Amino acid sequence: AQSVTQLDSHVSVSEGTPVLLRCNYSSSYSPSLFWYVQHPNKGLQLLLKYTSAATLVKGINGFEAEFKKSETSFHLTKPSAHMSDAAEYFCVVSDHRNNDMRFGAGTRLTVKP
Amino acid sequence: GAGVSQSPRYKVAKRGQDVALRCDPISGHVSLFWYQQALGQGPEFLTYFQNEAQLDKSGLPSDRFFAERPEGSVSTLKIQRTQQEDSAVYLCASKSPQETQYFGPGTRLLVL
Repeated sequence: AQSVTQLDSHVSVSEGTPVLLRCNYSSSYSPSLFWYVQHPNKGLQLLLKYTSAATLVKGINGFEAEFKKSETSFHLTKPSAHMSDAAEYFCVVSDHRNNDMRFGAGTRLTVKP
Repeated sequence: GAGVSQSPRYKVAKRGQDVALRCDPISGHVSLFWYQQALGQGPEFLTYFQNEAQLDKSGLPSDRFFAERPEGSVSTLKIQRTQQEDSAVYLCASKSPQETQYFGPGTRLLVL
């Protein structure tokens, strides 16, 4: 069985300051991990994915995430927040053997001017 | 290069009505998934198709939910005798050969 825990339901940052969205996972096998972003009334958009290659993964819009097996974490970071980053972010764990993707409950990011 | 499309985008149904939600996946994507996203929650898996074969329907919440993909492309999720607890956003995704799922904009269903 696999699962994802997003440690913060809501994160608020000021524009230009760093962003950290935390995610811990549980998986019996080597997982694939993803971060998706969901803007209001828009579809889920893939930010980045980890599939057992480099542990530091760079995604779109300046986001990156680091896979830390020892900590079972896959935290999402960005050096400098932009107003357009305000959205809901989902961490996802997948076991490619059975096409099972498990979503976290989401973290709402607010960016203050 | 169109993405995944879904229709209708919004649906209001009276309790007890049947509804049908359509998903057009990205052309050539073999795998198709349906998810249910309740308000304030992450998407939850409903069912999965590989071509026309429904390989996993373990997430369907009741026998009122039925999905099909008869020709291996367009898929329809049908909900019979809708209940208020069925109100949610229903998301469709198709998966690329590189194992990435691409999501549609969803259908927001409200059952009154």
